[in-house]
Amino acid sequence: EVELMESGGGLVQPGGSLRLSCAASGFSLSTYGMSWVRQAPGKGLEWVSGMSAGGYSPSFADSVRGRFTISADISRNTVYLQMNSLRADDTAVYYCAKSLGSRHSSFDYWGQGTLVTVSS
Amino acid sequence: IQLTQSPSSLSASVGDRLTITCRASQGIAGALAWYQQKPGKPPKLLIYDVSTLESGVPSRFSGSGSGTDFTLTIRSLQPEDFATYYCQQFNSYPLITFGPGTKVDIK
Repeated sequence: EVELMESGGGLVQPGGSLRLSCAASGFSLSTYGMSWVRQAPGKGLEWVSGMSAGGYSPSFADSVRGRFTISADISRNTVYLQMNSLRADDTAVYYCAKSLGSRHSSFDYWGQGTLVTVSS
Repeated sequence: IQLTQSPSSLSASVGDRLTITCRASQGIAGALAWYQQKPGKPPKLLIYDVSTLESGVPSRFSGSGSGTDFTLTIRSLQPEDFATYYCQQFNSYPLITFGPGTKVDIK
């Protein structure tokens, strides 16, 4: 059974950093792409970052490029999102999502999400 | 690539036939998916590649379209279908975008 479990969210001051983790089970990160998608309170979905199978070809939305990085520990089957220079508009629930295929595309499994609040 | 959805919200009754439209700012071939999201829950994949029904999704859901115009149809609305629906494109790989959502509530 596929499961995704996010962790690492919390309250952080503007300009601060946070690292989110997404522990995957039931499939291998070597085979499927992964993404992070966020949802600000009361707002819609925004794709943030993604990577292809094996942790290759990282990509980022314009809103986070240069501030966020995505990586994977294949041995732990875990994806990370390192978030630096956080701003108030980064406040959101962050979901990790598994792609249908080896590239990030459409997402067939999602975690329950972890809340990031950027505030002083 | 920008996505727009119409309507942004609607009220409907159980048993109604519903159509939600998603329009892309440029052609996206078959790289379109639809999701359903209920409050406090993560999105759920309904349809991918325009018209392929995800495993376990009821057959009252269907998708169609091509180029820039796509539709999600719910044949006979059920109580559990009241939710927000999002389209998503991945033609501009590696960049992905979601539509703004369509909220379906009870009339």
